[in-house]
Amino acid sequence: KNEVEQSPQNLTAQEGEFITINCSYSVGISALHWLQQHPGGGIVSLFMLSSGKKKHGRLIATINIQEKHSSLHITASHPRDSAVYICAVRSGGSQGNLIFGKGTKLSVKP
Amino acid sequence: ETGVTQTPRHLVMGMTNKKSLKCEQHLGHNAMYWYKQSAKKPLELMFVYSLEERVENNSVPSRFSPECPNSSHLFLHLHTLQPEDSALYLCASSQDRSGTVNSPLHFGNGTRLTVT
Repeated sequence: KNEVEQSPQNLTAQEGEFITINCSYSVGISALHWLQQHPGGGIVSLFMLSSGKKKHGRLIATINIQEKHSSLHITASHPRDSAVYICAVRSGGSQGNLIFGKGTKLSVKP
Repeated sequence: ETGVTQTPRHLVMGMTNKKSLKCEQHLGHNAMYWYKQSAKKPLELMFVYSLEERVENNSVPSRFSPECPNSSHLFLHLHTLQPEDSALYLCASSQDRSGTVNSPLHFGNGTRLTVT
């Protein structure tokens, strides 16, 4: 069992739908990252959070440290949101100790 | 433009070839990383450099040889690779290795490597 589990693995939505991607982890962490990877391969950091909730535009990330669970929400989804969303947790004090999930592939249809 | 540039974008090489991947960042970051992303597997950390010194090597085979000549450049030298080494190789940088909110990772677009 991976230390970082994401669900679902694949998600297809219609434009405008509200989307939730989940991440559960089994290790103690100091921070959790949500990353976005487009088909070209490049990865963009969306959020880094250690508690509570963060919002950026139509994206919202929440984390519950006690339950070892985080969610990424996308409101009013758009085809340009189609990408792989990756959850990663940092255990210990070093960027090098990031543990990655396998990613959730999101496809938003017009 | 991510601030981290990787070349080439695509590379096909035979098992007896020697090639190098290049990564360049002009963000003023002090830490640089090589990651491997294979199909249907999580990102795997390969090497970490901090202030041009290798600080982590995650049991990577010796056919992968990193080099960090200065804080802006990182290379991954490849020789006698195997077909199972075919993957997307991603470079990343961060201000430092503390992993705080002020030191997020910046990734390049990756090099898609195919070993034939």
